[in-house]
Amino acid sequence: DIVMTQSPDSLAVSLGERATINCKSSQSVLSNSNIQNYLAWYQQKPGQPPKLLIYWASTRESGVPDRFSGSGSGTDFTLTISSLQAEDVAVYYCQQYFRTPWTFGQGTKVEIK
Amino acid sequence: EVQLVESGGALVHPGGSLRLSCAASGFTFGSYAMSWVRQAPGKGLEWVSAINDRGAYTYYADSVKGRFTISRDNSKNTLYLQMNSLRAEDTAVYYCTKYNFWNGYQIAAFDHWGQGTLITVSS
Repeated sequence: DIVMTQSPDSLAVSLGERATINCKSSQSVLSNSNIQNYLAWYQQKPGQPPKLLIYWASTRESGVPDRFSGSGSGTDFTLTISSLQAEDVAVYYCQQYFRTPWTFGQGTKVEIK
Repeated sequence: EVQLVESGGALVHPGGSLRLSCAASGFTFGSYAMSWVRQAPGKGLEWVSAINDRGAYTYYADSVKGRFTISRDNSKNTLYLQMNSLRAEDTAVYYCTKYNFWNGYQIAAFDHWGQGTLITVSS
C-alpha cells in the first residue's frame, strides 16, 4: 500500500498569512503514461463531509478559491493557502489515487493564531 | 445539483450485518464509478470499497475484504454496501462518494460526498 504522511499534524496561522501543508507518499504517484500526479487534497470542516479542493496535485476543483494551490511531484506535495481566512479553519487531507487501495494522509488541522 | 444520501446506519452487535444504501441524484449515476469511504469517530479518512460504473469490477480495502460487498442498481440510482461479520473497529461514519471525471478519465478524486451514515458496532 502507498502510505501518505502529512506534516505538520496541526498548525496555527494568523489571518491573512500563508499556511503550508506537506504530504509525502511512500511511492511515486506520478504516472509515466500521462505525466500526471495522482494526488488530491480535501478540506473537512467540523460536522461536514470532506470537500475536494485539488486533484492532479495542482488542478483546483471548480469553485475553489484561488488562495488554495497545490504543488509538487513524485512523492512530495504541498497545499498552500496564500492568505488564511476564518472560513479556512478545517482539517486538510491528501489522498493518492494512483493505485488501490486509495489512501489518505492522517490529516492536518489548521487553526487561527 | 448532485446529491448523495446515505441511509442504513445503526447500532449493531459484533458479528452482525447491515446494508447501507446511497441514493444518488443530479447526475447520470450509471456513468460514474462510486466508492465508500469511512471515518472512525475523531479519526481520519479510510477508503473502504469502490465499484465501476457498470458494476462489473469491485475493489476493497484489506480491512473489509471478504466481509463487505459493494454493489449498485443503476436502474434505481442506488449504491449499496453489504456489511457482514461486523467488528468494533468498523464503527465509523460511512460516506458515499462519486468519482471525478476528467478528460475521459474517471479518477478516484472524489468530487461529491454524502453527509454520511453512522455505524456503531458494540455489544
